Amino acid sequence: SQTIHQWPATLVQPVGSPLSLECTVEGTSNPNLYWYRQAAGRGLQLLFYSVGIGQISSEVPQNLSASRPQDRQFILSSKKLLLSDSGFYLCAWTANIGNTIYFGEGSWLTVV
Amino acid sequence: AQSVTQPDIHITVSEGASLELRCNYSYGATPYLFWYVQSPGQGLQLLLKYFSGDTLVQGIKGFEAEFKRSQSSFNLRKPSVHWSDAAEYFCAVGSLSSGSARQLTFGSGTQLTVLP
Repeated sequence: SQTIHQWPATLVQPVGSPLSLECTVEGTSNPNLYWYRQAAGRGLQLLFYSVGIGQISSEVPQNLSASRPQDRQFILSSKKLLLSDSGFYLCAWTANIGNTIYFGEGSWLTVV
Repeated sequence: AQSVTQPDIHITVSEGASLELRCNYSYGATPYLFWYVQSPGQGLQLLLKYFSGDTLVQGIKGFEAEFKRSQSSFNLRKPSVHWSDAAEYFCAVGSLSSGSARQLTFGSGTQLTVLP
């Protein structure tokens, strides 16, 4: 069966520091991968998606970036965090020809 | 562009009572529709989905949802709510975007409180 892992689960970072959230999917090949953000009291916002290694599409312009160095690895990064980057970040995947998105457990980021 | 509306931000029901969470969508073609549940501090878990066929779909944890094309709705129901159902519920509509990536547009969520 397929599983998705993301880490760290909780992160407290000062303003201006870098960020790296990692996500891996197991049990499938060539998945589509996604990063969503859920700010406090708000819905889900799609940040990035990827259909293959090195292929990243950005939905929202901001100081975050994403990379896909391996088929089943998706990384969310920032060079300098802002207070507004605080939130709950969710990694997700679909099968290459699948219609259902499955989510990881999420990572809480607090920028102080 | 597609959109999803969950008109109820917060719903409170008593344990054992029936539940209906509303979801309305806007989409130009036949939609893929989903309900997800999120417990505090957790990721999203898929409850059920509708792609085609029977408009009444059954999901996990005793939930069901009915797709009504004429009303552009996909309401979630449960005949008898349990205290463990307290969570936030998200309705979503799927589309095929460029690059063959399926994306979901989510509603803003409905927070369910269950009274003992």
